[in-house]
Amino acid sequence: GAVVSQHPSWVICKSGTSVKIECRSLDFQATTMFWYRQFPKQSLMLMATSNEGSKATYEQGVEKDKFLINHASLTLSTLTVTSAHPEDSSFYICSASRQFGSNQPQHFGDGTRLSIL
Amino acid sequence: QQQVKQSPQSLIVQKGGISIINCAYENTAFDYFPWYQQFPGKGPALLIAIRPDVSEKKEGRFTISFNKSAKQFSLHIMDSQPGDSATYFCAASYGDSNYQLIWGAGTKLIIKP
Repeated sequence: GAVVSQHPSWVICKSGTSVKIECRSLDFQATTMFWYRQFPKQSLMLMATSNEGSKATYEQGVEKDKFLINHASLTLSTLTVTSAHPEDSSFYICSASRQFGSNQPQHFGDGTRLSIL
Repeated sequence: QQQVKQSPQSLIVQKGGISIINCAYENTAFDYFPWYQQFPGKGPALLIAIRPDVSEKKEGRFTISFNKSAKQFSLHIMDSQPGDSATYFCAASYGDSNYQLIWGAGTKLIIKP
């Protein structure tokens, strides 16, 4: 199988705090990880693509200083939402792919529900 | 040209019936077409995928039909069950995009017992 674990599954925090979300590939090495945001009843919106050991590539309109992505190992990527505000409340989902550029399928975590009060 | 258009937005099917969801694309460079299933509060799970060199792929009750000339592909769920009730997304990708997925808008499928 190809299992991706995302933690935490749900977080509530006060406005102004920073929140870190972890994405781990449990049984394979993930050269590439993707971070998505999903609003209710909508499709997934790609935020950034990260390759192990290099800087993430952010999609247009996504603030790289707001959403810090680290992909320091082949099994772990983190997304930190800095100085979170209510408008950052959303469902964040990561996915992992075995090999960059080889059209390997993306395997998804179960998402993190972020609520900023 | 990067869009993948998915229809219908929602679909209600009786138990035992056939559920059909359609997607259309414009970019002929797309070379990988997966379908994902998503339950509420969960991440998407890969159901089945096809490449343009075949016209049909079947896995259990799930079949993808692919029409390269029409630039369309569809998901057929045979003998639909209440447990199939979920949101289904089609997607497409190609090499030059670093294999980023271009997503359809999703179809909420409800199977009535």
